[in-house]
This record gives sequence, structure tokens and C-alpha cells, in this order.
Amino acid sequence: GAGVSQTPSNKVTEKGKYVELRCDPISGHTALYWYRQSLGQGPEFLIYFQGTGAADDSGLPNDRFFAVRPEGSVSTLKIQRTERGDSAVYLCASSLGLADYNEQFFGPGTRLTVL
Amino acid sequence: TQLLEQSPQFLSIQEGENLTVYCNSSSVFSSLQWYRQEPGEGPVLLVTVVTGGEVKKLKRLTFQFGDARKDSSLHITAAQPGDTGLYLCAGAPGTSYGKLTFGQGTILTVHP
Repeated sequence: GAGVSQTPSNKVTEKGKYVELRCDPISGHTALYWYRQSLGQGPEFLIYFQGTGAADDSGLPNDRFFAVRPEGSVSTLKIQRTERGDSAVYLCASSLGLADYNEQFFGPGTRLTVL
Repeated sequence: TQLLEQSPQFLSIQEGENLTVYCNSSSVFSSLQWYRQEPGEGPVLLVTVVTGGEVKKLKRLTFQFGDARKDSSLHITAAQPGDTGLYLCAGAPGTSYGKLTFGQGTILTVHP
């Protein structure tokens, strides 16, 4: 079966623009996670969903960041008024559920560059 | 301040050598996971350790969880060039299910 897919793979935008990053989780996975990874660092948690609802959005850095998962499958991470500091690889992961040590399967990421 | 401290940050060795990567924290984790990540790809789970003192082996890789469940190590025997990559430890402290905290990673390069 297909793994987690993310589109686009690369996104270059100008400071101040709006971007949307898409994640298609593994079919049947109810939990979906977004992480951000800067160069030379480990991934940093942003938000996770159980079904359609955001179970924990405490990692979103500010109100320019927003994520949705309207039908409990595909999720979109939205960034308004992008800043150069938003440049990073945005990783999406999914898992069967939300229990402890449920294996999270990661997508290849979207590399966002803000000029 | 990193919740999970990994060391060393960089490791460059020759094929056939052994190595150990450490992951330390002042917090207790109900479980810790080790991932390997290659350029342009997402992390891939290698192992999950759950019980304090647990040792798990995956071919030439040996993973250990500290007795107090605050630290873990990854030991690779007879490293090969195919082991090259970024190794990450991660865990969900307390009962924060799913909200993984990652270490900063160890970049391993194995030269033929």
C-alpha cells in the first residue's frame, strides 16, 4: 500500500505570501501529525489530529500557522504572511491511533523556502 | 534546552568500526523510539523500547533503554557504508501520546 504522501515536495515563496502544504496519510490511520525540521535539527512537533479534530496544537509557533483535516483523512497546513524563519522541511506522519508508542509513519516532507 | 540530548552530534568512522550513540534526558519516558533518516526522506522507525533496562537487537544494531527510563543508547557493530544517515531518538514524555519530542540527531558517516 501507499505510504504517507506530501505535496508539493518543494515550495519556494516570497516573504509575506500565503502557502498551503498537503498531507495524504496512510489509509485507515486515524491520527495525523505535523512536524517541522530545520537543517541539522531533529523534527519539532507542531500539531496532531485524532480524526477531524486537533488533539494538540501547542507546537504551532504563532497564529500565522493553521492546520485542518476536515474529513479525517487529508490534512492541510496553512501558513499566512510567511517569514524567512519559516523556511524548513515540514514533515507529516500518520499512525493507526493515538496510543503510546503507536508507530508513526513519516512522509518525505515538503521543503519550504521563503525568500 | 533540548528535552532529549543526543551525543555525539557528528560521527565519522571507517567501515568495520563499532560506535555508540547516546540519548539522555532528565525526564522519564514511557517509551523511546529510534529513527533513521536519509536525505530527502522522512524518518523511518527502527525500534521502540518500553521497559526500563530493555535491550533490543536488530541485526548489527543494539538498543538499550536505561533502568530509570530517562536514557537510551544505540550501538552499531561493524558499521557499513549503508549505515550512513541521521539517527534520531524520540519519545513522548509523560502521557503526551503522539506528541513526539526528538533529539537533535546524530549524523553518522561510514567511509568504505
